[in-house]
Amino acid sequence: DAGVIQSPRHEVTEMGQEVTLRCKPISGHNSLFWYRQTMMRGLELLIYFNNNVPIDDSGMPEDRFSAKMPNASFSTLKIQPSEPRDSAVYFCASSWSGGNQPQHFGDGTRLSIL
Amino acid sequence: LAKTTQPISMDSYEGQEVNITCSHNNIATNDYITWYQQFPSQGPRFIIQGYKTKVTNEVASLFIPADRKSSTLSLPRVSLSDTAVYYCLVGLSGGSYIPTFGRGTSLIVHP
Repeated sequence: DAGVIQSPRHEVTEMGQEVTLRCKPISGHNSLFWYRQTMMRGLELLIYFNNNVPIDDSGMPEDRFSAKMPNASFSTLKIQPSEPRDSAVYFCASSWSGGNQPQHFGDGTRLSIL
Repeated sequence: LAKTTQPISMDSYEGQEVNITCSHNNIATNDYITWYQQFPSQGPRFIIQGYKTKVTNEVASLFIPADRKSSTLSLPRVSLSDTAVYYCLVGLSGGSYIPTFGRGTSLIVHP
């Protein structure tokens, strides 16, 4: 079975540029989560969607970050403009929200802002 | 939202049993306890989940005392490949549940 698919796996860009990270959740899952992981702050939840609707975005650092989920099989996390402090590994995860179902994570996007 | 506390790091040797304890003093009645494992350069991976008493699968066992204010992940006979970060999460999935991973426990298994 295909797991959560994230692209790109690695992204290196200069500060000020727009960055778009993509995620395809597992088919049938109706919850989707975006996380950011750094050595300093660990694994932080940025935003999560339930049935394509954003439920909680309190973890989004600032207005430069935005996330969308236009349909059940695709989500994007956009940073515009990007800054060096945005450098991190960004993970997407999905789950079935009925009951206590575990999250399934993608392999992440390693983002470096120069 | 239940907060969890785990040791920052642990060391063990191949073939030993490893027990990682997580404290969650303000766990709610409907909260489940879930453990994840993360290897370098990979996303966290679900290991085991439980509500009370003991749960066992092919990877680990989870012990939860009657008061549910803590839980212990037990890894039998660890190998070098069990070197990873282990996270304890408490809460309901879905709905208004906001998963909080914390810093986890970094387990290093030595030869």
